[in-house]
Amino acid sequence: EVQLVESGGGLVQPGSPLKLSCAASGFTFSSNWLNWIRQAPGKGLEWVASINPDGSSTYYPDTVKGRFVVSKDNAKNTGYLQMNNLRSEDTAMYYCARRQLPDYWGQGVMVTVSS
Amino acid sequence: DIQMTQSPASLSASLEEIVTITCQASQDIGNWLAWYQQKPGKSPQLLIYGATSLADGVPSRFSGSRSGTQYSLKISRLQVEDIGIYYCLQAYSALTFGSGTKLEIK
Repeated sequence: EVQLVESGGGLVQPGSPLKLSCAASGFTFSSNWLNWIRQAPGKGLEWVASINPDGSSTYYPDTVKGRFVVSKDNAKNTGYLQMNNLRSEDTAMYYCARRQLPDYWGQGVMVTVSS
Repeated sequence: DIQMTQSPASLSASLEEIVTITCQASQDIGNWLAWYQQKPGKSPQLLIYGATSLADGVPSRFSGSRSGTQYSLKISRLQVEDIGIYYCLQAYSALTFGSGTKLEIK
């Protein structure tokens, strides 16, 4: 059974860093793209980051480029999203999802940026 | 950047009615399109991938179609369990979501 489990969320102050993890199981993690997608409370879905199967290429929208870094450790079947210089507008539920056209999503982890 | 214009923003329909949601891509995205259903407090669930292929376990009353750069999701006979918010997603170049369609039962 394909599973993606996010962790690492919480309440942080503006300007702080936070690192999210996405633990994968039930499929060959090293052969799959990994995406991070977020959803602000009551809002729609927003793409945050993508990484190719071997981790050699990463992609970001302008809204997070230079602040967020996506990575994956294929030996540990785990993906990561390092978020730096967090802003209030980064407050959202963060999901990881596999494949270039995402099929399976995790249950999400909440990140709240507030003083 | 590719834009996805989704309509309508909200939709109220009767049980057993046919429902159609559309997404217009700002440029050619081929078949790099998916549709998702999201229920309150849950993560999105894949319904359609490759514009027209039904995801595993999804009822056959859901279908996807494409006409040029316009993509449609059709629910042939609306059921109570179909209420939720529906999103399209293009993955041809980066990822862009439609703004969502909130589906309610009339």
